[in-house]
Amino acid sequence: AQKITQTQPGMFVQEKEAVTLDCTYDTSDQSYGLFWYKQPSSGEMIFLIYQGSYDEQNATEGRYSLNFQKARKSANLVISASQLGDSAMYFCAMREPFTGNQFYFGTGTSLTVIP
Amino acid sequence: DAMVIQNPRYQVTQFGKPVTLSCSQTLNHNVMYWYQQKSSQAPKLLFHYYDKDFNNEADTPDNFQSRRPNTSFCFLDIRSPGLGDAAMYLCATSRMGTSGSTDTQYFGPGTRLTVL
Repeated sequence: AQKITQTQPGMFVQEKEAVTLDCTYDTSDQSYGLFWYKQPSSGEMIFLIYQGSYDEQNATEGRYSLNFQKARKSANLVISASQLGDSAMYFCAMREPFTGNQFYFGTGTSLTVIP
Repeated sequence: DAMVIQNPRYQVTQFGKPVTLSCSQTLNHNVMYWYQQKSSQAPKLLFHYYDKDFNNEADTPDNFQSRRPNTSFCFLDIRSPGLGDAAMYLCATSRMGTSGSTDTQYFGPGTRLTVL
């Protein structure tokens, strides 16, 4: 079974609008971490935001927030006030610290911000 | 600034000619990873080092080897590159405590490998 599922291969958003990128995960561990990365066309993977499984509050980092719904096993990324520079691939990832050091990545969502 | 550095950023090699990609970090992280990423795909983990312990993924071809001479440096050796090995190679680091942790993984800028 896929550990991380991103069902939106491509998304479009108007500049200055908010957009939600979906991510669902599969784990039987109680302790895990969820991450979002941005990968522009240059190729570098840029860390955006982290949510721990025991965190009760949704994580926020500037214009990025993570909508964490533990019972649904979803960790959607919300980008507010989209900018042209937000156009990139976005990857959701999970780490299960007690079952190894591996990060599991989803297949990514390509976001295009339209002026 | 603490960071993950990869050299070179672009590498061109010939079919079958060995090539080495390098990664260094100033984060003092104990775990280092090598990923292969092909166009429009998720990064695929090749192997990782937890300190000096080498962990190979089951489906990583023998053609790919790695060395970690010290905490700061890690190398990816491709012994006989094929056309299918053309990809972006990403190095990443993270910190792993003995009790387990969910520390973030930080990536370098990647090396884009072309095989002629």
